[in-house]
Amino acid sequence: NAGVTQTPKFQVLKTGQSMTLQCAQDMNHEYMSWYRQDPGMGLRLIHYSVGAGITDQGEVPNGYNVSRSTTEDFPLRLLSAAPSQTSVYFCASSYSAGGIGYTFGSGTRLTVV
Amino acid sequence: GIQVEQSPPDLILQEGANSTLRCNFSDSVNNLQWFHQNPWGQLINLFYIPSGTKQNGRLSATTVATERYSLLYISSSQTTDSGVYFCAVRLGLFGTGTRLQVFP
Repeated sequence: NAGVTQTPKFQVLKTGQSMTLQCAQDMNHEYMSWYRQDPGMGLRLIHYSVGAGITDQGEVPNGYNVSRSTTEDFPLRLLSAAPSQTSVYFCASSYSAGGIGYTFGSGTRLTVV
Repeated sequence: GIQVEQSPPDLILQEGANSTLRCNFSDSVNNLQWFHQNPWGQLINLFYIPSGTKQNGRLSATTVATERYSLLYISSSQTTDSGVYFCAVRLGLFGTGTRLQVFP
């Protein structure tokens, strides 16, 4: 099925470890973005990309890196995990910055101990 | 920057009731979407509605861009409507959400 695929679904990290959250879409969307959602809160934009090779920071970029080498993939890297990064992470893609065709992945629940 | 506020923050309904959720934005926008986050966390795109009215089954949405608000109507609510409803005016800019609980 067409859509946005995120892996893994669950992850536990120790403080200081690094890891990469994977995100792939097969809808040929130019725009991709990463969000974090803390308990009882809304979505906060971490990083986004408007096309292959182009990325930019969102509202809460510190502690995270991204790259976009292909249209399909937009991985999010945690450089040195901290307990404050415990959250649910969502990847999304869309046709435009306005969000036409906005589709979310199923999320990655990350716990940093 | 643009501020996006949703009301009410919480809504509790009995099955079969109707409800109206509101999204206010502080400046003109060219895009507006409504999303439903179900109790399992999945985010589903309900409507892309920068202006006008759209309907999909028991749900409908109206955006009056000139007055800077959008409304989401849920008629004959069901327990499966429970969750959080978000509006978004552009990539990365979401409202605060309305948490809806529908009881049988």
